[in-house]
Amino acid sequence: DAGITQSPRYKITETGRQVTLMCHQTWSHSYMFWYRQDLGHGLRLIYYSAAADITDKGEVPDGYVVSRSKTENFPLTLESATRSQTSVYFCASSESWVGGYTFGSGTRLTVV
Amino acid sequence: TQLLEQSPQFLSIQEGENLTVYCNSSSVFSSLQWYRQEPGEGPVLLVTVVTGGEVKKLKRLTFQFGDARKDSSLHITAAQPGDTGLYLCAGEVDSNYQLIWGAGTKLIIKP
Repeated sequence: DAGITQSPRYKITETGRQVTLMCHQTWSHSYMFWYRQDLGHGLRLIYYSAAADITDKGEVPDGYVVSRSKTENFPLTLESATRSQTSVYFCASSESWVGGYTFGSGTRLTVV
Repeated sequence: TQLLEQSPQFLSIQEGENLTVYCNSSSVFSSLQWYRQEPGEGPVLLVTVVTGGEVKKLKRLTFQFGDARKDSSLHITAAQPGDTGLYLCAGEVDSNYQLIWGAGTKLIIKP
């Protein structure tokens, strides 16, 4: 099915572990984004990518790593998870840097 | 710091009532988008407005972009329980090609 798919939907991990959140889109959109959504902060941009092999930092990149070897995939890795990274993570894609974005259903990550 | 303020933060009304939510900034926007987010899902794009003074309608939803392109409003006529959700606005800043997000208005429509 066409769309943008995130996996897993839910994840519980321990402090210090490495975690990778997956994002796959089928539209061949150039731009892909990772956001985190927290109460009181709204959506905050972690990393974005303008094309395969081109990535850049957003507002809150510390503790995260991304890669984009193929246009359709944009995984987000937490190198050593901390409790402050407990959040809901959304992947989005777009033909343009400034929207309209198509979002995935999100990954709810809990770090214990 | 560029901010996009949404008001009210929370609104709970009865089915059939009308409501308006606002998105305001001191920055000028090239365009402004409205999204609706339902619990457990990602935001879904409702509309993009690009011209000062522009009005767009989507069934019972009316979106307006301010003449100076610094603010926008969303008016819902005869609200229904299916309108329940978090409404987010996001503006493309005119001067530096950034997308700024508001914190959202949480809307609950009671049957």
